[in-house]
Amino acid sequence: DIQMTQSPSSVSASVGGRVTITCRASQGIGTWLAWYQQRPGEAPKLLIYAASRLQTGVPSRFSGSGSGTYFTLTISSLQPEDFTSYYCQQAHSFPRSFGQGTKVEIK
Amino acid sequence: QLHLQESGPGLVKPSETLSLTCTVSGGSITNTNYYWGWIRRPPGKGLEWIGTTYKTGESFYNPSLKSRVTVSLDIFNNQFSLKLSSVTAADTAVFYCAREVAAATDQFYGMDVWGPGTTVIVSS
Repeated sequence: DIQMTQSPSSVSASVGGRVTITCRASQGIGTWLAWYQQRPGEAPKLLIYAASRLQTGVPSRFSGSGSGTYFTLTISSLQPEDFTSYYCQQAHSFPRSFGQGTKVEIK
Repeated sequence: QLHLQESGPGLVKPSETLSLTCTVSGGSITNTNYYWGWIRRPPGKGLEWIGTTYKTGESFYNPSLKSRVTVSLDIFNNQFSLKLSSVTAADTAVFYCAREVAAATDQFYGMDVWGPGTTVIVSS
C-alpha cells in the first residue's frame, strides 16, 4: 500500500504571500496525484489533478508540480479565503491514501 | 450538473452497523468514466478514504476497515451505499460520498464532485 507523507502540518503566511506544501509517496506514483482544499464545514474541493493540472474554476495562483515520489502545491499571492486546510491524495492505485493535511494560517 | 447527497442516521449505537446512502442526480452511476467512493473525517483529524465501487460491482476498501465495510451500487435508484459494522466511538466522523474520475484503465484524476457530508456520531 502507498503511504503519503505531507509537510508541513501547518504553515503561517501573510495575505499576498506564498506557501509551498510538499507531499511524498512511499513508492512511485507517476503523476497520479491530486490536491484538495477543505474549508471548515465544507466538503473537500479538488484543486489540482494529475499533479499539475488545474481543475476548472480554480484560480491560477494555485499550482502543482512533481512526479514519481515528490510533489508540491504552491499558492502564490495568498488571498484571505486561502487560509484553510489542504490535502494530497494518490490516485495511482487502490487502496487510496491521503496525506495528513496542512493548515495554512494567517501570520 | 452532477449532485451528490448523503443520507442516513446521525446517531448510531456502539456495536451496531452504520448505513449511509449517496443519491446521485444529474448523471448516471453506470457511466464508464467514473468510480464512486466514501471518505470520512473524524473530529480533529484528516481525511480518510473508506472505499470505492464501480458499475461492474467491483469494490476496493481501506485495509484498516476491510473486515467491517461494504460499499455497493444500487443502479436502479442511481445510488451507492456504505455499511460499516461493529462501530465504536472511533468511527464518529463526517462522512462524504464522492465521484472519482477515471482518465483511463487504472489511471485516475481524483475526486471532482463531493456531497456536502453528513455527521455520524457513535454513542449509546
